[in-house]
Amino acid sequence: GEDVEQSLFLSVREGDSSVINCTYTDSSSTYLYWYKQEPGAGLQLLTYIFSNMDMKQDQRLTVLLNKKDKHLSLRIADTQTGDSAIYFCAENGRGRFNKFYFGSGTKLNVKP
Amino acid sequence: DTGVSQDPRHKITKRGQNVTFRCDPISEHNRLYWYRQTLGQGPEFLTYFQNEAQLEKSRLLSDRFSAERPKGSFSTLEIQRTEQGDSAMYLCASSSGTGHYEQYFGPGTRLTVT
Repeated sequence: GEDVEQSLFLSVREGDSSVINCTYTDSSSTYLYWYKQEPGAGLQLLTYIFSNMDMKQDQRLTVLLNKKDKHLSLRIADTQTGDSAIYFCAENGRGRFNKFYFGSGTKLNVKP
Repeated sequence: DTGVSQDPRHKITKRGQNVTFRCDPISEHNRLYWYRQTLGQGPEFLTYFQNEAQLEKSRLLSDRFSAERPKGSFSTLEIQRTEQGDSAMYLCASSSGTGHYEQYFGPGTRLTVT
């Protein structure tokens, strides 16, 4: 979506950390989400963060939110080849019905 | 909880034909969404149901598109007189509308219009 932006590609080596960034424009978003999409598949919910939080950690995943700059990041520790996929951030700010607005996705390539 | 299912997974059709897709949401979810995803893009919202009521439609949903959720359970998306520009992945998602409002997606139906 034009109001949610992500860098297109990220390449890392297995075992390194990956950081995927996202910027959004709607300050009224109550939640922000990260999804993972493998080739030919639907979207798998990875994690979410409430807008009044700065950080959320869930096993190898760490989400950082800078609400002032409208910047969201997803850090994957100890990246594995199975983490290779497209990662989408989404926000639910506009309207009453909680429809999501997605970025164009960041393709993560993990090299062995 | 068997997750969101969609049928068919793939559909190839000739331009001008009608197609219909089905989505079965997670059973206790009253909210159902349809999105369209084209190559290299994120999903874009098409329409939203709360129970059987269609409460919002995107401008992307032209008159050739119609969606229903007759009993508040499964939903269908029909495209009439398909055009090559309709080729995309059609994704269905459901949500309970409570908690963190997260949406759970099905595997999608990939439509190819030749």
